[in-house]
Amino acid sequence: QFTLTQPASVSGSPGQSITISCTGTTSDVGSYDLVSWYQHHPNKAPKLVVYEANKRPSGVSHRFSGSKSGYTASLTISGLQAEDEADYFCCSFAGTEIFHVVFGGGTKVTVL
Amino acid sequence: EVQLVESGGALAQPGRSLRLSCATSGFNFDDFNMHWVRRAPGKGLEWVSGISWNSGRVGYADSVKGRFTISRDGAKRSLHLQMDSLRPEDTALYYCARGDIVFDNWGQGTPVTVSS
Repeated sequence: QFTLTQPASVSGSPGQSITISCTGTTSDVGSYDLVSWYQHHPNKAPKLVVYEANKRPSGVSHRFSGSKSGYTASLTISGLQAEDEADYFCCSFAGTEIFHVVFGGGTKVTVL
Repeated sequence: EVQLVESGGALAQPGRSLRLSCATSGFNFDDFNMHWVRRAPGKGLEWVSGISWNSGRVGYADSVKGRFTISRDGAKRSLHLQMDSLRPEDTALYYCARGDIVFDNWGQGTPVTVSS
């Protein structure tokens, strides 16, 4: 299965900003703006925080923002808070067959 | 409020079968594509299978193709995953998710453990 590349961990102090990268290929991130980001606290339902690379769902904090350039998508969390400590996964449409989406390996965000 | 509640996860021996279900409420089930996504211990999210709103299109990850079957029941507003020929590497928390390419609502997951 294809896998998008994310850093294993990112950390920051409360109030700081952090950015998580997600690098793909011409088959996924490089060809489509259909990148989404999910926050996952252990034993809870994953939560959509960004879709179509830079759009924020209703109800998601403005502290979460997304961008994309070439083969790399990014999620920035500004004004880091203790509740942001979680795993974050990027996901992209891969377009090889119906419903074909690929996830990144995930990034553990630690609030120091 | 959109709710997705998975059930059916259990301990199973390799080669055996399990059937997962996802009960839904709070939205028009017949209008949405639905998916199963899993997360194995210590690993990341993996898309497993998806089904269109009218059951006309289905898709499977290569890792489960030929062993798993997705289905849906509009009358009961439920999604199902028939898992046959289970392998230890199928051990994971299985999530039901709503959406097309973007999964905007998820359940809490049901655990599947495959071990002898």
